[in-house]
Amino acid sequence: NAGVTQTPKFRILKIGQSMTLQCAQDMNHNYMYWYRQDPGMGLKLIYYSVGAGITDKGEVPNGYNVSRSTTEDFPLRLELAAPSQTSVYFCASSFGLAGGKETQYFGPGTRLLVL
Amino acid sequence: AQSVAQPEDQVNVAEGNPLTVKCTYSVSGNPYLFWYVQYPNRGLQFLLKYITGDNLVKGSYGFEAEFNKSQTSFHLKKPSALVSDSALYFCAVRAYGGSQGNLIFGKGTKLSVKP
Repeated sequence: NAGVTQTPKFRILKIGQSMTLQCAQDMNHNYMYWYRQDPGMGLKLIYYSVGAGITDKGEVPNGYNVSRSTTEDFPLRLELAAPSQTSVYFCASSFGLAGGKETQYFGPGTRLLVL
Repeated sequence: AQSVAQPEDQVNVAEGNPLTVKCTYSVSGNPYLFWYVQYPNRGLQFLLKYITGDNLVKGSYGFEAEFNKSQTSFHLKKPSALVSDSALYFCAVRAYGGSQGNLIFGKGTKLSVKP
């Protein structure tokens, strides 16, 4: 299986534009996460989902939206892009929260530059 | 609040020598602890985790980590470093229980192994 896939790999946006970062997993994982990684910093949680139809905010949700209509897909929407959203975005998934199922597996990332 | 500290921005080691990458954490209750490795322009790869049981955890690529509850530490170690181990290493923690499962990451430590 492919694991966690993300598209696009790289994108340049102009201020005020919008875009959707795609994330898909083929491991039948219930939990999915969006993180952003800024230079010299650890990853910070943007949004997460515990299953299809259920999403919630993480630590830094402002300026983003998510949806989870299927188990496999967890797109991240940027509305009105701002330079502060220049970052590398990682999607991750896990089967559960405990019992050996808690390990999160990460996609390759999407590098976003907002100018 | 949960937090992770990686006190060294960079660790330099000669090939063949042992390596240690330090991590300390703060969490309410029992911790779930993880180490991930990130190669340039790649996503995070899972190395190992501590959930419960033996304090010495063995993981991928010959890495191991020792959980020390009294010192709230989870240092990553390898007996003999390889040049190919050069990468960015992240320690992450989350509290046992809870409904989110999101990880709190340290800022990362760059490991440089010289021939």
